[in-house]
Amino acid sequence: QKEVEQNSGPLSVPEGAIASLNCTYSDRGSQSFFWYRQYSGKSPELIMFIYSNGDKEDGRFTAQLNKASQYVSLLIRDSQPSDSATYLCAVNPPGDALIFGKGTTLSVSS
Amino acid sequence: DGGITQSPKYLFRKEGQNVTLSCEQNLNHDAMYWYRQDPGQGLRLIYYSQIVNDFQKGDIAEGYSVSREKKESFPLTVTSAQKNPTAFYLCASTEDGANYGYTFGSGTRLTVV
Repeated sequence: QKEVEQNSGPLSVPEGAIASLNCTYSDRGSQSFFWYRQYSGKSPELIMFIYSNGDKEDGRFTAQLNKASQYVSLLIRDSQPSDSATYLCAVNPPGDALIFGKGTTLSVSS
Repeated sequence: DGGITQSPKYLFRKEGQNVTLSCEQNLNHDAMYWYRQDPGQGLRLIYYSQIVNDFQKGDIAEGYSVSREKKESFPLTVTSAQKNPTAFYLCASTEDGANYGYTFGSGTRLTVV
């Protein structure tokens, strides 16, 4: 069974702090990794994707990938109350549809 | 503007009734997907289609059926065999084997009454 694991949270951080979200996956052959943000009652929105080991930065967001450890993370710098949402990690095993984790709920307090 | 349109936004189903959820995209994407989301849960794959007139079962296909007669359209029917259909249903599409992620529609919330 291919799996993607995330801590459900909630993860609570004060405004301006760094939020760190983590994800592990079971299929070692996976090549593409994604982070989606989902506000309550809304559909997921793609915020980051990463294919290679290391870091990828986009504004306040940094995705980190370690294929040897089968680990993906998302860092959100200078967290804002508008970042409060559920963050879904998704993994693309070769020849298969995206597999999603259950999501981590982030709460940013002002 | 290109995108994925799901309708209706809210749907109520009586016991024993079949209902069909619509998903239309104008992104010229080849692959389309249906996911189900329950409260506090991630997305679970129901069916997907990578080409017209072909589709594959996902992890929870029982009680559901799909068709893919046109590239733009991938409707999902929730049959009376699906015993617990109350959930948020999400349709998605992608162009290039999901290398760039999926684009999602706005979802349909189905409730059994």
